[in-house]
Amino acid sequence: EAQVTQNPRYLITVTGKKLTVTCSQNMNHEYMSWYRQDPGLGLRQIYYSMNVEVTDKGDVPEGYKVSRKEKRNFPLILESPSPNQTSLYFCASGRKTQYFGPGTRLLVL
Amino acid sequence: AQKITQTQPGMFVQEKEAVTLDCTYDTSDQSYGLFWYKQPSSGEMIFLIYQGSYDEQNATEGRYSLNFQKARKSANLVISASQLGDSAMYFCAIATGSSASKIIFGSGTRLSIRP
Repeated sequence: EAQVTQNPRYLITVTGKKLTVTCSQNMNHEYMSWYRQDPGLGLRQIYYSMNVEVTDKGDVPEGYKVSRKEKRNFPLILESPSPNQTSLYFCASGRKTQYFGPGTRLLVL
Repeated sequence: AQKITQTQPGMFVQEKEAVTLDCTYDTSDQSYGLFWYKQPSSGEMIFLIYQGSYDEQNATEGRYSLNFQKARKSANLVISASQLGDSAMYFCAIATGSSASKIIFGSGTRLSIRP
């Protein structure tokens, strides 16, 4: 079954404590992307990756890092989370048909 | 700058009627892609339909069709014979930039289907 998985699904953390949200896909897609969704703002692209070792900034990259060491995995790293990064995060893979993960709800206190 | 505009924050439609959700876009790129996604109250994002800028035919996927008017820069979603399960948020998005890799979403339209 075609799938994008994200972990954790829910996370409460404190300001400054580094965290990683994992994303994995089983469809051998080259393209992967991270988004955040905030009320009234729709989804905004954080980073995307065209292939292994190739990543680039989306619209809102500040405060985030990514890496793409393997095709199937595209983790999102918050080195020093702040309350304004409280949001719903989606990972997605694929080009013309983008498959989304289930989302990660992050609360930064 | 690339931009997607969805002018209908909310819509109510009677069950079994057809519904059109508006989407206009702004891009200077010649090659781009347009998407529609559905987000039910459960929160997941569901891909509905894709249209490439060079596709001459309007895309269709079951009850969904994309009314692509390139000169007007519009990409409206048409849902035929609406069902109660169609009640959700709908997002239009454009893929632009180098290799159409940057994706920008509109703010969404909340569709409610009345029985």
